[in-house]
Amino acid sequence: GENVEQHPSTLSVQEGDSAVIKCTYSDSASNYFPWYKQELGKGPQLIIDIRSNVGEKKDQRIAVTLNKTAKHFSLHITETQPEDSAVYFCAASLSGGYQKVTFGIGTKLQVIP
Amino acid sequence: DARVTQTPRHKVTEMGQEVTMRCQPILGHNTVFWYRQTMMQGLELLAYFRNRAPLDDSGMPKDRFSAEMPDATLATLKIQPSEPRDSAVYFCASGTGATDTQYFGPGTRLTVL
Repeated sequence: GENVEQHPSTLSVQEGDSAVIKCTYSDSASNYFPWYKQELGKGPQLIIDIRSNVGEKKDQRIAVTLNKTAKHFSLHITETQPEDSAVYFCAASLSGGYQKVTFGIGTKLQVIP
Repeated sequence: DARVTQTPRHKVTEMGQEVTMRCQPILGHNTVFWYRQTMMQGLELLAYFRNRAPLDDSGMPKDRFSAEMPDATLATLKIQPSEPRDSAVYFCASGTGATDTQYFGPGTRLTVL
């Protein structure tokens, strides 16, 4: 089955700096890579995703990159704000809506004002 | 604003007792996932359903856990008998199958003493 490794497990940055979270996956058949943000006391929420036919995707201050050859993908947050503080999960699956999604262990991001 | 709802939000019980957690998926969603979240294991998929039929429950300890969808608006996860190692946050998520996005509920925090 798929295995997703994520690092770092914790990350502290100063407000305004950038944050980068990296993930690797094991199953070369995986073609869908979502990122979820979990705020304290809430369920995870999708913030951005990327499919294997795209190398990079951007949405305002967040961007994801994908290297299929190396089987790794990353989340980049620029100009971090205190409200970015949360736990971020990467995940991998086959696309199709009914597929099993494998999550990374999570990265706790703290943005220091 | 359509949301996944879960009840109860918190549950404290004693070892050996039966626990039932309920989930109401977003109206119109036909895929339901059950996850367990712990600090050590992160988000683990327990089981998931498509159109109320179980697709995969390989992540679930069969001897004590059971998951069902009595109708399209209700999914249940039952633990009998409960054990202290079952203490975790249990999330339900739903999706349409037409997209890959999973919408998570707020979770049920279970403590087994």
